[in-house]
Amino acid sequence: GENVEQHPSTLSVQEGDSAVIKCTYSDSASNYFPWYKQELGKRPQLIIDIRSNVGEKKDQRIAVTLNKTAKHFSLHITETQPEDSAVYFCAAREGYALNFGKGTSLLVTP
Amino acid sequence: EAGVTQFPSHSVIEKGQTVTLRCDPISGHDNLYWYRRVMGKEIKFLLHFVKESKQDESGMPNNRFLAERTGGTYSTLKVQPAELEDSGVYFCASSQMRADTQYFGPGTRLTVL
Repeated sequence: GENVEQHPSTLSVQEGDSAVIKCTYSDSASNYFPWYKQELGKRPQLIIDIRSNVGEKKDQRIAVTLNKTAKHFSLHITETQPEDSAVYFCAAREGYALNFGKGTSLLVTP
Repeated sequence: EAGVTQFPSHSVIEKGQTVTLRCDPISGHDNLYWYRRVMGKEIKFLLHFVKESKQDESGMPNNRFLAERTGGTYSTLKVQPAELEDSGVYFCASSQMRADTQYFGPGTRLTVL
């Protein structure tokens, strides 16, 4: 089955800096890659996603890039703010079930 | 629009007891998924319903777990008898179509003592 690796497991940045989280996947048939943000005590929420026919997608301070050949995708957050502090999960989907990475705990310090 | 809801938010039970978790998907969402996150590990798929039919239950750990979705609305996940390794956070998610965004509930934190 699909195996998703996510790095780093923890990331600490200063407010205003950029943060990058990287994921790799194993199943070349995967065609949909969402990113979820989970704040403490809250539900995972979709923040951005990308499909396999697109190489990059942006939404304000958040961007995701996909390299299908290398089977990796990354989340980029620019101008980080304290409210970006959360656990971020990447996922890959081939059929309908999402296969998640282990998560990255991002801390943005003022 | 109301989101996915789950009940209870927390459950603490002893090994050998039975627990039933409930998920109410977003109204009109035919697809319902159960996932589980064991401490420190990734969120793992358990099973998928389309309306009342189980499409894939390949992620269910063993036959102590039983999921139902009678009537194609809410779903229940029963663990009987519970074991220590069943502790974790159980998430439910729903989507309108299979290829659509999956919206997650807040999860049920299950602790088996």
